[in-house]
Amino acid sequence: DQQVKQNSPSLSVQEGRISILNCDYTNSMFDYFLWYKKYPAEGPTFLISISSIKDKNEDGRFTVFLNKSAKHLSLHIVPSQPGDSAVYFCAASGLNSGYSTLTFGKGTMLLVSP
Amino acid sequence: GAGVSQTPSNKVTEKGKYVELRCDPISGHTALYWYRQSLGQGPEFLIYFQGTGAADDSGLPNDRFFAVRPEGSVSTLKIQRTERGDSAVYLCASSLTDPSSYNEQFFGPGTRLTVL
Repeated sequence: DQQVKQNSPSLSVQEGRISILNCDYTNSMFDYFLWYKKYPAEGPTFLISISSIKDKNEDGRFTVFLNKSAKHLSLHIVPSQPGDSAVYFCAASGLNSGYSTLTFGKGTMLLVSP
Repeated sequence: GAGVSQTPSNKVTEKGKYVELRCDPISGHTALYWYRQSLGQGPEFLIYFQGTGAADDSGLPNDRFFAVRPEGSVSTLKIQRTERGDSAVYLCASSLTDPSSYNEQFFGPGTRLTVL
């Protein structure tokens, strides 16, 4: 039973447009959410995070939105650039695990075309 | 500074053999994590070390899997009697420790294990 779900395996966007990646979770104990970016043959790298006490966190071109009542979060990238092409993983953690473990979704492959 | 390193980068073995995968965390990071990423899936938690001890090994799939971190730095993931279903990328991550909040986990490049 997947606790973190990314229902879109892939997304294609043109350079300069907005990319929106979605994530849903089922475990109410999660209170910290993260997005990781992964290039082939590399480990995931941290991109941006949000605590459950907030509904938005922004860092440059990247913004994460959290809707706790819907158990849904999204990552917005604007403007999208070809270098953003990668697999994006949504991940969640919680105090009940001492924030020691991450539960990941299956990932969404983003392709930004010039 | 140096990031998390993992060796080997690729390992091909035969069914039934024993393998060891090594992880060198970032210097000063007391927490170390192992994850497994199967094809088409996200990383799945295996085990978490705080110092030398395994604080949470609830993700280990069965008793063929074992991990150690004897001096609180380098860790080795050991898989006995490998099966084809063990084929995956094994990721290691490390972090500082503050149990009251999330500590960013820094991932290594992974070891791709193929069991023939």
